[in-house]
This record gives sequence, structure tokens and C-alpha cells, in this order.
Amino acid sequence: DTGVSQNPRHKITKRGQNVTFRCDPISEHNRLYWYRQTLGQGPEFLTYFQNEAQLEKSRLLSDRFSAERPKGSFSTLEIQRTEQGDSAMYLCASSLVQGGNNEQFFGPGTRLTVL
Amino acid sequence: GQSLEQPSEVTAVEGAIVQINCTYQTSGFYGLSWYQQHDGGAPTFLSYNALDGLEETGRFSSFLSRSDSYGYLLLQELQMKDSASYFCAVRGFQKLVFGTGTRLLVSP
Repeated sequence: DTGVSQNPRHKITKRGQNVTFRCDPISEHNRLYWYRQTLGQGPEFLTYFQNEAQLEKSRLLSDRFSAERPKGSFSTLEIQRTEQGDSAMYLCASSLVQGGNNEQFFGPGTRLTVL
Repeated sequence: GQSLEQPSEVTAVEGAIVQINCTYQTSGFYGLSWYQQHDGGAPTFLSYNALDGLEETGRFSSFLSRSDSYGYLLLQELQMKDSASYFCAVRGFQKLVFGTGTRLLVSP
């Protein structure tokens, strides 16, 4: 257990529905990242926050995806009008940027299945 | 763009030593990280090399050559529990870019 928690752990939804995932990072960590991982691939970067500011978004993050970190603590990732191609593991990671150290600690992930 | 290459699968027996290589092409390189991921689990941090040379952490060691854009993870005294996927990841300023992973299978 890295101290990063994600909820729910599993989500099954029908195509076209909206889903929202939550990530609670390690409390003193100022950076929070979202990644997506499909079977047999490495995690792919989606977006990251420094405190409450969203500083970068991947081109993988279509307009149907939105992420927030309103108080610089927990974060939510919402997917609107889900598609079958959205089925993946969504991973959250957090880090404390301090000097040169930026080690990222990953949560257990939310596995999304879109039927 | 950024790309990383690592072997898709490596097999070894308990007690053996195995080396997983990683070559990369990237801009904005700060260092090379290695993560372990068991099936169904989250990636867990193993090691990080910012400078050339060898970093040792218990049974695991990691090496980096920035001039060759190459690194490797060395696992010694293999145990069955080491069966997992291993990812190299380029650490840029803001994010990690992962390779496709190497599946390590350790047999008795």
C-alpha cells in the first residue's frame, strides 16, 4: 500500500454513460497525476496537477475527459459519454516535488469496463 | 517524440540473475526510473538513475548510460515473487513516459 487510494476499484458501465473516479493522494504530496493503462501496455500519461492547478494535458485526453483537483488534495477524473475504447485501468499517482526528487507513488487503479 | 524499447518477455529460474535492457529516444531527459507491476496491481517504484552509473538497492540494481541512451535493471537471486512486469520510464520535468514493459517469468 503506497498511501494513494482510488475509488471505485472497478466500474462497469454502458456505452454513453458518464463515470467519475476519485483519487486521494499521499497527504503532503503536491503533484497528482492521472495515467491510463491498457492490457500489455505501460501506463500512458493523461494529465497532472501541481496543487490545484492543472498544468498539462495529454492529447490522449479528449474533450469527454475532465479532471479536477479543487482544493489541491483529492482529484476526480470524469469521462462523459463513455465509449468502449475507454475501457482501461485508470491509475493515479502522487509525488512531492522537492529538489530533484519526484518519485511517483501509484494507487491501485480503477478498472473501467464499458459495455 | 519519445520512445522506449525493452524486451517483451524474459524467463529465468529461481536463484538466477537476469538483466532487462531499456533503450530510449527522448527530449527533456531527467533520468530513468524502473517500476514493477504484478498482474492486477499498481506499478511500484524500484529505482531511479539521474546520472551515469550503477545504483544498487538490495537484490535490484539499475544502470544508466546517458551517452548511449541505454539503461538496464539487474535482478539477482531471483525469487518466484519476482515474476511480474517491469517497466522502464523516462522521467521528464513533468511526467513519466513508460515503455511497454518486460514480463519476467521465474520458474522453480
